[in-house]
Amino acid sequence: DAKTTQPPSMDCAEGRAANLPCNHSTISGNEYVYWYRQIHSQGPQYIIHGLKNNETNEMASLIITEDRKSSTLILPHATLRDTAVYYCIVRETSGGSYIPTFGRGTSLIVHP
Amino acid sequence: GAGVSQSPRYKVAKRGQDVALRCDPISGHVSLFWYQQALGQGPEFLTYFQNEAQLDKSGLPSDRFFAERPEGSVSTLKIQRTQQEDSAVYLCASSLALGGRGDEKLFFGSGTQLSVL
Repeated sequence: DAKTTQPPSMDCAEGRAANLPCNHSTISGNEYVYWYRQIHSQGPQYIIHGLKNNETNEMASLIITEDRKSSTLILPHATLRDTAVYYCIVRETSGGSYIPTFGRGTSLIVHP
Repeated sequence: GAGVSQSPRYKVAKRGQDVALRCDPISGHVSLFWYQQALGQGPEFLTYFQNEAQLDKSGLPSDRFFAERPEGSVSTLKIQRTQQEDSAVYLCASSLALGGRGDEKLFFGSGTQLSVL
């Protein structure tokens, strides 16, 4: 089972910020939080990841709470092309290998 | 450079047929993952390779599923005696670093959509 909880769906107006929450209350100290997104008929695409500190890149910002039990992905100016399913995952350990485990994600719809 | 390439893009099989799905990872990537994605669901882990070694196959749903990566590059996922419940998108992902680290990102292919009739 995935170690994260996300709302099944959200919507956002084009040009506004999209804030996608994720709960990962059982995260351990050495596990990273990753965000991917999947546009219809494509494979998931990496967005951003972090451990403790907030992170920003050309695609998005990642805000991680101080206790690391939740995080928020921020798309500062959403466009119609940002409509996708967004997955928040933590890297789990399985027999010494970190296996990324996906849940059902959040379906984000950006409307005009 | 090229990303992760999967072929065929679409595969239709009759129930009971064997199928082989191919994944060409990014050159030099050590880790390779296979996932199965049913309609409306997130990707489900199937198996993981580090170079040519299959380190985790705990997600393979039955012994009809077999994966290999003999030279540590191209990988093939084989499904024997396909059943209707095998219908799904099969995704391949690769990453540069060893799987024992938690801080490397995955690069996914576009997947193979398998339909078993």
